[in-house]
Amino acid sequence: DAGITQSPRHKVTETGTPVTLRCHQTENHRYMYWYRQDPGHGLRLIHYSYGVKDTDKGEVSDGYSVSRSKTEDFLLTLESATSSQTSVYFCAISEATSGVYNEQFFGPGTRLTVL
Amino acid sequence: DAKTTQPTSMDCAEGRAANLPCNHSTISGNEYVYWYRQIHSQGPQYIIHGLKNNETNEMASLIITEDRKSSTLILPHATLRDTAVYYCIVRGVTSGTYKYIFGTGTRLKVLA
Repeated sequence: DAGITQSPRHKVTETGTPVTLRCHQTENHRYMYWYRQDPGHGLRLIHYSYGVKDTDKGEVSDGYSVSRSKTEDFLLTLESATSSQTSVYFCAISEATSGVYNEQFFGPGTRLTVL
Repeated sequence: DAKTTQPTSMDCAEGRAANLPCNHSTISGNEYVYWYRQIHSQGPQYIIHGLKNNETNEMASLIITEDRKSSTLILPHATLRDTAVYYCIVRGVTSGTYKYIFGTGTRLKVLA
């Protein structure tokens, strides 16, 4: 299995509080992604990174920000958590070989509950 | 990226082949077909991908029609551990198209 860890694995917080989720990889892959998964929606991309300090928005980026100061770490921040952000969050990594973007490997997920 | 259509759910008897279909009628020439699965609440797991030729690996086979408008993932001898949600994804692999678009997938239940 690809070396991807997420922390925390479970978190309960209150509306209005800031929350930061961490994704850590040991594969030295260039690309990292944050998804959320909700019943009936499959996985939806929040933000992704294509290198250190290089990030871009996905399809559901409102209310989220990201940072990547090192290759191995990709942080997802909820500046002021809302109940609609209760979800399971997955991090993924991938690499590109000769300009071809390869398959993504996913972390174990973080279950976030916002009360 | 092209949109995909999959059945919501399927059942398969243990030991039999599981054939999971996917329609991607708007696929373009440089887009690959990827399959992932998600067992219970774990992170999705890569299975296989292909462009136009049939592909096989230790987990599964992927059959893509000649016109590339549909494909079938085949698990040759399904086991109870193959019970999962299977996602078919179509995406380009170059020119900055890093993103996957996941649908809701097919929930496969392998029956003892």
